[in-house]
Amino acid sequence: DVKVTQSSRYLVKRTGEKVFLECVQDMDHENMFWYRQDPGLGLRLIYFSYDVKMKEKGDIPEGYSVSREKKERFSLILESASTNQTSMYLCASSLPGGLGADTQYFGPGTRLTVL
Amino acid sequence: KQEVTQIPAALSVPEGENLVLNCSFTDSAIYNLQWFRQDPGKGLTSLLLIQSSQREQTSGRLNASLDKSSGRSTLYIAASQPGDSATYLCAAHGSARQLTFGSGTQLTVLP
Repeated sequence: DVKVTQSSRYLVKRTGEKVFLECVQDMDHENMFWYRQDPGLGLRLIYFSYDVKMKEKGDIPEGYSVSREKKERFSLILESASTNQTSMYLCASSLPGGLGADTQYFGPGTRLTVL
Repeated sequence: KQEVTQIPAALSVPEGENLVLNCSFTDSAIYNLQWFRQDPGKGLTSLLLIQSSQREQTSGRLNASLDKSSGRSTLYIAASQPGDSATYLCAAHGSARQLTFGSGTQLTVLP
């Protein structure tokens, strides 16, 4: 079974802090994704990566950056956390499979609260 | 830009009923459509993936159909059980490997 793990289930930070959210997958997947999920807005893609050191912006990249130094690890960084970044953050991974071929596997999520 | 809509937003049924969840999408140029289940406070679990060339997929009591021309997909759940209570999300897989999600249908199956 594919396993996607996220470093924390719950996280509380203060406005202005630098925040790191870590995601690790154990199935040698090329593609990795970061989403945020908010009531009434659904899941929105922040960034994704389809190879080591590669990254592409999703729909809402503002205020975030990412790092993919190793294939199995994809980090989401909030350079200066703000209250409007309070959300559930979900990481996912998938095989390359060409466009559209493969299921995305999700981690358990990190609920981040910024005070 | 792709938009995915799920109706209804919430649904409550008695145990044993068959039910249908609806998903519509605006751009028919999709590679596949996926259905996920999400339990409260948890991540997403993939249920079914329908490739654009397929019409339906089945897994146990679940059957998902896809009609690209009309921009619709349905998830049929047979003989519903209380353990089926969760939020069900559909997602259209379009260009650049991106999924566009609907807001989900929150299903409650009453014992």
